[in-house]
Amino acid sequence: NAGVMQNPRHLVRRRGQEARLRCSPMKGHSHVYWYRQLPEEGLKFMVYLQKENIIDESGMPKERFSAEFPKEGPSILRIQQVVRGDSAAYFCASSPVAGTLNEQFFGPGTRLTVL
Amino acid sequence: DQQVKQNSPSLSVQEGRISILNCDYTNSMFDYFLWYKKYPAEGPTFLISISSIKDKNEDGRFTVFLNKSAKHLSLHIVPSQPGDSAVYFCAASARQGAQKLVFGQGTRLTINP
Repeated sequence: NAGVMQNPRHLVRRRGQEARLRCSPMKGHSHVYWYRQLPEEGLKFMVYLQKENIIDESGMPKERFSAEFPKEGPSILRIQQVVRGDSAAYFCASSPVAGTLNEQFFGPGTRLTVL
Repeated sequence: DQQVKQNSPSLSVQEGRISILNCDYTNSMFDYFLWYKKYPAEGPTFLISISSIKDKNEDGRFTVFLNKSAKHLSLHIVPSQPGDSAVYFCAASARQGAQKLVFGQGTRLTINP
């Protein structure tokens, strides 16, 4: 049973470009979460999605950031007009059922570098 | 506002001895707590969890203790092994409302041979 998959593992963008990060949850998981880790810090929640629905986006910056989890295909975290401060590791996690034990399984992360 | 705090950025322990990692939280709505282990360039790996209805949970070499009155939890690893060297994150969530995990800053554990 494959784990949570994220791609690309490393992404380099110049300021002003767009970054697209992809996440495929574990088989059978319908809940996806995105977290961001800045250097030397813990992971910070960004957004929680179920298929075709955004459940909680309280951790998402109001501008330039968006997320989706379509009926078919991976979840996408999109960052428009990237700035140097967006450089971080972005982790996706998935879980099978919400409302019970909140164990989340994490992917390997995408390391975004903005030049 | 740091709701989950790990006040020790690093910890060094001799192989075979006990490692104790600590975590404090401020939000009384948290009722489920988890420990994750993270190696460089990898995602966090779930280790062990505890619900607020318990004060102890054990899984092999790993034991988590919860003191609700003090809003404090700890992870004990015994005996410590070189492969335990990693960054350990404490995380918390509230059953009601959002499913998000709130993480501490992490403690880097180094096991010395």
